[in-house]
Amino acid sequence: DIQMTQSPSSLSASVGDRVIITCRASQSISSYLNWYQQKPGKAPNLLIYAASSLQSGVPSRFSGSGSGTDFTLTISSLQPEDFATYYCQQSYRTPINFGQGTNLEI
Amino acid sequence: QVQLQESGPGLVKPSQTLSLTCTVSGGSISSGSSYWSWVRQPAGKGLEWIGRIYTSGSTDYNPSLKSRVTISVDTSKNQFSLKLSSVTAADTAVYYCAREADYSNPFHYWGQGTLVTVSS
Repeated sequence: DIQMTQSPSSLSASVGDRVIITCRASQSISSYLNWYQQKPGKAPNLLIYAASSLQSGVPSRFSGSGSGTDFTLTISSLQPEDFATYYCQQSYRTPINFGQGTNLEI
Repeated sequence: QVQLQESGPGLVKPSQTLSLTCTVSGGSISSGSSYWSWVRQPAGKGLEWIGRIYTSGSTDYNPSLKSRVTISVDTSKNQFSLKLSSVTAADTAVYYCAREADYSNPFHYWGQGTLVTVSS
């Protein structure tokens, strides 16, 4: 199985801050890395796919980078609606695995 | 716009079988190269992929659950289903259905999720 490790597990930040969340795969997954945002009581929402492609309708302050085993999600200027939990997910091979999540708090 | 909706009992007794259905609207479940997955999330915890079914009917399961999981598809009803046997309290979670547009694609579409509690 490919294990996904996110860091940090939680993060306190302020509106306007630049935030970086990292995700590491236990083996190379090329660019098969996706990022989701989840708010309480809601299904995850796709933000970034294929490591760096911005999903339609997602604000441009979100960006992704990386390949192989190391990936990052960057939020350039935090907005109030960005406070949520973020998950990375590898779609390289089954079993599909998610990172443990990063809880972004005010 | 594809939409997914989970349905099924919200309460299941220990040792029994959990059964959920995901109804797909806005497109045919058998069109294209879509994969249809189940993902669960215990309260306050992360996301766990359970397994998926391809439009041909072939399946992939998470090895951690494989012995207890069956995913099937009913193309006439545009639905796919999950059965999880011998449930315990550890299977209490919100269960989501989700769609990958093709192999190794992300989950673009998700259902709203349904809470299943395992309790006597």
